[in-house]
Parts: sequence; C-alpha cells; structure tokens
Amino acid sequence: QVQLVQSGAEVKKPGSSVKVSCKASGGTFSSYAISWVRQAPGQGLEWMGGIIPIFGTANYAQKFQGRVTITADESTSTAYMELSSLRSEDTAVYYCACMITFGGVIVKDWFDPWGQGTLVTVSS
Amino acid sequence: DIQMTQSPSSLSASVGDRVTITCRASQGISNSLAWYQQKPGKAPKLLLYAASRLESGVPSRFSGSGSGTDYTLTISSLQPEDFATYYCQQYYSTPSYTFGQGTKLEIK
Repeated sequence: QVQLVQSGAEVKKPGSSVKVSCKASGGTFSSYAISWVRQAPGQGLEWMGGIIPIFGTANYAQKFQGRVTITADESTSTAYMELSSLRSEDTAVYYCACMITFGGVIVKDWFDPWGQGTLVTVSS
Repeated sequence: DIQMTQSPSSLSASVGDRVTITCRASQGISNSLAWYQQKPGKAPKLLLYAASRLESGVPSRFSGSGSGTDYTLTISSLQPEDFATYYCQQYYSTPSYTFGQGTKLEIK
C-alpha cells in the first residue's frame, strides 16, 4: 500500500512562493495520480489540482490557475506543489492525495491515501 | 463547477444513535461520489466510493445510498470513534473535483 510523506511546515511572507513536496513509498509511482487539496483553518476541503506523473501534465482548479504549479519527479517518486504570490488567505494545511491510474488514465477518482498535511502560514 | 451541499452542517448525537448526513449535487453525478471522515489534526480518510461501496477496512455500520443529485451517508449505530467531520466529494466532472462543506458530528 502506498504511503505519502510530505515536507514540513513553512512560514512565508506575503508575495512570496512556497513549494511543498510529497514523497510516495510502498507502491509504483507510475500507477498513481497525485492531487493537492488544501484546508484553511476551520474550513472545508478544496481541490487545487493534480498530475499524472507518467505524463507530467497537470490540471488545475480555475481558482488557482496561474498561481499554482504541480510537478512530479518519477526518479524520486515525489510530487511537488508550488504556490506563488502568497497572501494571508493562503494560510492552510496542504494535503497531497493519491488516485489510482491504469495505462495513464485515472480509474479511481477518489483520494486514498492522503499525506499527513503541511501547514503553510503566510504572515508578515 | 458542480456544487456540493451537505446537510446538516453540524449534528449532535449519542453513542448508539443512527445518523444520516445528506449531500446534494447541483447536477446529476451518476453515483460518482465519495465520503471521507476527518478527525481533528488528521488527514481525511476514505469511507465509501461510488456512493455505496465500502472501502476495505471500514466498519459495516457505515453505508451510503442515493442517485442523481441526492446522496446519504448513514451510520447505523454511532460509536465513540465516529465523532468527526464528514465530507462528500464528487468525481463526476473530472478533473474538477469538489467537496461538500462538511458535517461536524458531535457528542450530545
């Protein structure tokens, strides 16, 4: 069973960027798609975008288009989410989550498992 | 985007109670629905997918049903470990996934 381990908490200034990593172990990275979901304090879950690593192309929620970049490195089984032009409203826990693919097509469109989450705090 | 609306937003219940949480989609989603449980400070955990299929390892007191735009999650007999926040998620309009706003289940 795949496990996802994320990088540690970050504190950033408004206007800067943050890059969060998500390393997969215990499975075949090429069999997965990785999505990023964020959760602001006391709020619900919000899908930001995702990537199928064997293709390297990402899809993004319209809300984050132009500000988020999701990439993946198959050699290290690691996915990355970079968010730029940070503002206080981006303070949140950022999760990566796994979806199962077959032949490069997502066949299980639900998220399982999830990484442990990375708290990103944006403050001056 | 497909909007997902859960009700109620919060719910108080006792151990042993039967509870039902509803999720309504802004358009039909053909059973493309998953349910998650989240405890404070933890990542969400998958409970059900395809509206009614129980994820391996999830207790059978959890069940799901529905069709079209309306779906429900039922817990047949609440256990102490079930007090948490529950989210629905549609995957009909891939890759634009959306979640309900969550239902917080509290101890009465």
